[in-house]
Amino acid sequence: EDQVTQSPEALRLQEGESSSLNCSYTVSGLRGLFWYRQDPGKGPEFLFTLYSAGEEKEKERLKATLTKKESFLHITAPKPEDSATYLCAVSTSGTYKYIFGTGTRLKVLA
Amino acid sequence: GAVVSQHPSRVICKSGTSVKIECRSLDFQATTMFWYRQFPKKSLMLMATSNEGSKATYEQGVEKDKFLINHASLTLSTLTVTSAHPEDSSFYICSASKEFSSGKTYEQYFGPGTRLTVT
Repeated sequence: EDQVTQSPEALRLQEGESSSLNCSYTVSGLRGLFWYRQDPGKGPEFLFTLYSAGEEKEKERLKATLTKKESFLHITAPKPEDSATYLCAVSTSGTYKYIFGTGTRLKVLA
Repeated sequence: GAVVSQHPSRVICKSGTSVKIECRSLDFQATTMFWYRQFPKKSLMLMATSNEGSKATYEQGVEKDKFLINHASLTLSTLTVTSAHPEDSSFYICSASKEFSSGKTYEQYFGPGTRLTVT
């Protein structure tokens, strides 16, 4: 069965304290892996698409990487405004549907 | 680009009435649109997949007669919650799917969500 697992569930960081969020997946025929940011009471905001092992994408303080089993979202020198829930999702061959992980709730303290 | 709107953002209705939520892709034509439901501090739960001009495909356990989906055009999908009850109160989010520029995969862009409260 296709599965996506995110860890940790919640993470508290001090401002400037870099860390990584993990998204592990077990799927047949990965088509793409997606990262989103979601603020409370809002819809997910698209961050990155990765579709092959070894690929990396960067945006400001965020960097996403992909291997054959997992993806990492690295947050460098985070700021309080980076506080949000970060969602990982995958799509597989033959469908446009996403399989979502349960998310990581990030809190960055000033 | 890739902006998706939802209307209304919040709605309160009485038990037994119906509520319609609109989802529009503003600057692109969406191959497929999706409807999700999200419970507090939980991830997104897919309710149905919608393609323009065809019947929606519902996920297991989702009542198609209660959650009516109409996909009238490549930029508009609607979700109607019929005979709403308090247990239907939730955060409903739509997404519109856009083909990745290389043609390798499709990306979903999400609307801002609709908070439904049934009293």
